[in-house]
Amino acid sequence: KQEVTQIPAALSVPEGENLVLNCSFTDSAIYNLQWFRQDPGKGLTSLLLIQSSQREQTSGRLNASLDKSSGRSTLYIAASQPGDSATYLCAVAPPTDGNNRKLIWGLGTSLAVNP
Amino acid sequence: NAGVTQTPKFQVLKTGQSMTLQCAQDMNHEYMSWYRQDPGMGLRLIHYSVGAGITDQGEVPNGYNVSRSTTEDFPLRLLSAAPSQTSVYFCASRIRIYSNQPQHFGDGTRLSIL
Repeated sequence: KQEVTQIPAALSVPEGENLVLNCSFTDSAIYNLQWFRQDPGKGLTSLLLIQSSQREQTSGRLNASLDKSSGRSTLYIAASQPGDSATYLCAVAPPTDGNNRKLIWGLGTSLAVNP
Repeated sequence: NAGVTQTPKFQVLKTGQSMTLQCAQDMNHEYMSWYRQDPGMGLRLIHYSVGAGITDQGEVPNGYNVSRSTTEDFPLRLLSAAPSQTSVYFCASRIRIYSNQPQHFGDGTRLSIL
């Protein structure tokens, strides 16, 4: 059974720091992995999606990597800003040849970037 | 292009009342889903639909009904509200159930059952 873990649950850093958020999953058979951002009182916004065949994706100051063999994905945020403060969630999509059709979600990392 | 629109944003109900949470998307997405988000439990899938006229249960379907009469709309019905259904509800959509395009979310409905 696929399980997704995000550690730490909360992180506080000073502005300008480069930081890494972690997402671990137990089954390497995945279709893709997505990183989302959730602001307080808001819905989720997709940040990056990494297909099973890809190693990384980049968007602006964000870079997400995927290592299926070790069951890990990282989200790297360069030069963090107070506006990056939010909860970051990762979700794993199971392979298309299985019976499980739902995304498997981590509980998220709550990030605070302090001015 | 509005994306995924949920109404209402907030609602307070009494135990036993019924109501419908509305969800609409204007991206012509086949796949739509409803989640609830509770502290410490993350996102849990309630029901989903892979197209008009097709719905299926997620991991926590009890107490909820859905229908999908059009591609755009996917309402969630609470039949007889219970305090355990106090939660934040999110509707989401993507182009297909298996897709390397991202999933889009609405802003949520915050529901309190007294």
